[in-house]
Amino acid sequence: NAGVTQTPKFQVLKTGQSMTLQCAQDMNHNSMYWYRQDPGMGLRLIYYSASEGTTDKGEVPNGYNVSRLNKREFSLRLESAAPSQTSVYFCASSQLAGGTDTQYFGPGTRLTVL
Amino acid sequence: GENVEQHPSTLSVQEGDSAVIKCTYSDSASNYFPWYKQELKKRPQLIIDIRSNVGEKKDQRIAVTLNKTAKHFSLHITETQPEDSAVYFCAASIGGSTLGRLYFGRGTQLTVWP
Repeated sequence: NAGVTQTPKFQVLKTGQSMTLQCAQDMNHNSMYWYRQDPGMGLRLIYYSASEGTTDKGEVPNGYNVSRLNKREFSLRLESAAPSQTSVYFCASSQLAGGTDTQYFGPGTRLTVL
Repeated sequence: GENVEQHPSTLSVQEGDSAVIKCTYSDSASNYFPWYKQELKKRPQLIIDIRSNVGEKKDQRIAVTLNKTAKHFSLHITETQPEDSAVYFCAASIGGSTLGRLYFGRGTQLTVWP
């Protein structure tokens, strides 16, 4: 099993450009999450999907949209990138909804917005 | 929502010494408390977790204690080794709902000197 995979690994954008970060898991998990990690700020939740067909905002959703394409895939879209979105983005998945079991993280995407 | 505070932000210890990281949470309904370890440029990985019906849990050199009355929980690492050097994140979750999610602390950079 590959676990949780993310593409791309690195990306450089100019202000105003758009892009989609892809995430897939092969563990048949129900819940998926997108976090951003900035120095000294820990892991902040952007959006999550408790189950296929549902999505909910986390604590920092502004400037992002998500799509739970199917049970395996959960994508994050930046419509008009801003320098404040420079960060490392992690996707995660878990078997149970409700945040009460192990979350498995992907390798991360390092995004720089110039 | 829940607020998780983590201290200290940095911790340096000599190899073989013990290390303790403390977290407090604000919502008395929180009932799941995991700890994640993130090595440099790697993804976070679960190392131990505890649920609110248990006061202490141990796994080899790692232990977690929970004080529900005071709303704090701690990670204890004994006989530290250089490979324990990493960033450690605590988190808390209010279970019982499909809308629940993890709230992370800001992390502790642990350095173990040989």
